[in-house]
Amino acid sequence: DTGVSQNPRHKITKRGQNVTFRCDPISEHNRLYWYRQTLGQGPEFLTYFQNEAQLEKSRLLSDRFSAERPKGSFSTLEIQRTEQGDSAMYLCASSLGSTENIQYFGAGTRLSVL
Amino acid sequence: AQSVTQLDSQVPVFEEAPVELRCNYSSSVSVYLFWYVQYPNQGLQLLLKYLSGSTLVKGINGFEAEFNKSQTSFHLRKPSVHISDTAEYFCAVTYYNQGGKLIFGQGTELSVKP
Repeated sequence: DTGVSQNPRHKITKRGQNVTFRCDPISEHNRLYWYRQTLGQGPEFLTYFQNEAQLEKSRLLSDRFSAERPKGSFSTLEIQRTEQGDSAMYLCASSLGSTENIQYFGAGTRLSVL
Repeated sequence: AQSVTQLDSQVPVFEEAPVELRCNYSSSVSVYLFWYVQYPNQGLQLLLKYLSGSTLVKGINGFEAEFNKSQTSFHLRKPSVHISDTAEYFCAVTYYNQGGKLIFGQGTELSVKP
């Protein structure tokens, strides 16, 4: 069990650029979640997958955001035309797939938009 | 709307003193409750969870929490804190049939002083 892995750990970009983050969940975990955490706040749900199917997206996930999980393994989160308000920590978590199963979190990707 | 409220944003306490971090959630018929801890530059680590059964749950590092359905609370306690307990603590809830997505409180910063 190598845990949930997120890359990169830090990303600095200029406003208007596109960025992509990757999350590798714990193997055999079929659910994968993305959250966003801004300074001084708790994480906020963005979206989740069960296997390769994206089952729910938050209203926080604007059209500039897209997430994929091809083949039901790793996932990517892309932000197009970044804005300064996108600066945050993006957290990924995975679980075995029932509501009560524990979500295991990665260390996160910290995005800074200049 | 479903929500979690952590009543204290910061809790300073001296080493070896007891501590209570307060959490209230919006009412629902079926709810699962969690406490996570976040150390600087790290992901969230599960401290404990309430799924069903005994309302007093014990977690790692000597923490415990009590589920109180009538008061919709899930307060976290530790009888004697250590310097190493200094961290951000998050209360979270997930509701039955909601895909397991977590709704987090704003967090409580626990600062243990020598």
